[in-house]
Amino acid sequence: AQSVTQPDIHITVSEGASLELRCNYSYGATPYLFWYVQSPGQGLQLLLKYFSGDTLVQGIKGFEAEFKRSQSSFNLRKPSVHWSDAAEYFCAVGDFSGAGSYQLTFGKGTKLSVIP
Amino acid sequence: SAVISQKPSRDICQRGTSLTIQCQVDSQVTMMFWYRQQPGQSLTLIATANQGSEATYESGFVIDKFPISRPNLTFSTLTVSNLSPEDSSIYLCSVVPRSNSGYTFGSGTRLTVV
Repeated sequence: AQSVTQPDIHITVSEGASLELRCNYSYGATPYLFWYVQSPGQGLQLLLKYFSGDTLVQGIKGFEAEFKRSQSSFNLRKPSVHWSDAAEYFCAVGDFSGAGSYQLTFGKGTKLSVIP
Repeated sequence: SAVISQKPSRDICQRGTSLTIQCQVDSQVTMMFWYRQQPGQSLTLIATANQGSEATYESGFVIDKFPISRPNLTFSTLTVSNLSPEDSSIYLCSVVPRSNSGYTFGSGTRLTVV
């Protein structure tokens, strides 16, 4: 069964500082990986996704993520955090192979706080 | 990508009653899912909504409590029945477009049971 681990429950960074949110996954086949952001009281917005190809993926709002198969990781990064980035971030793994159920499994999330 | 309209956006319901949530997509989609997000928690899959047949429920979720309909490729409903305060959560609809470009989520329904 697929699973996702986000080791950091809560991270606080200063505005302008760099950010890295960790994500480790467990999946038996080629993973389809996603990062979503959820602002308070809002739904989920897709930041970026990895299906195949270049292991460094660019997303919206200046975010990027790197897929490292050897480490089973898909960490999210941003070089300079803005106060508006304060939100909860979810890493997820799904199966788009056509043989799977297309189910999406989420990590428990990392809450990001930004100090002005 | 697909655009989802999920209604209502929020509701406050009395215990023992039911709430039906609608999910309307602007294009035909391959898959539709319903998720629950309990306060301060991550998302948990309730079920896969199957067009023209019974939904496929995950462990811990049953049809009597969470009946789901999917009459066509663009519409689904989730009913949360016999409400109790423990059902207070955000419920989200999610779809996989035919382009298989990823998962799109509705804006969610925030349910409070009093």
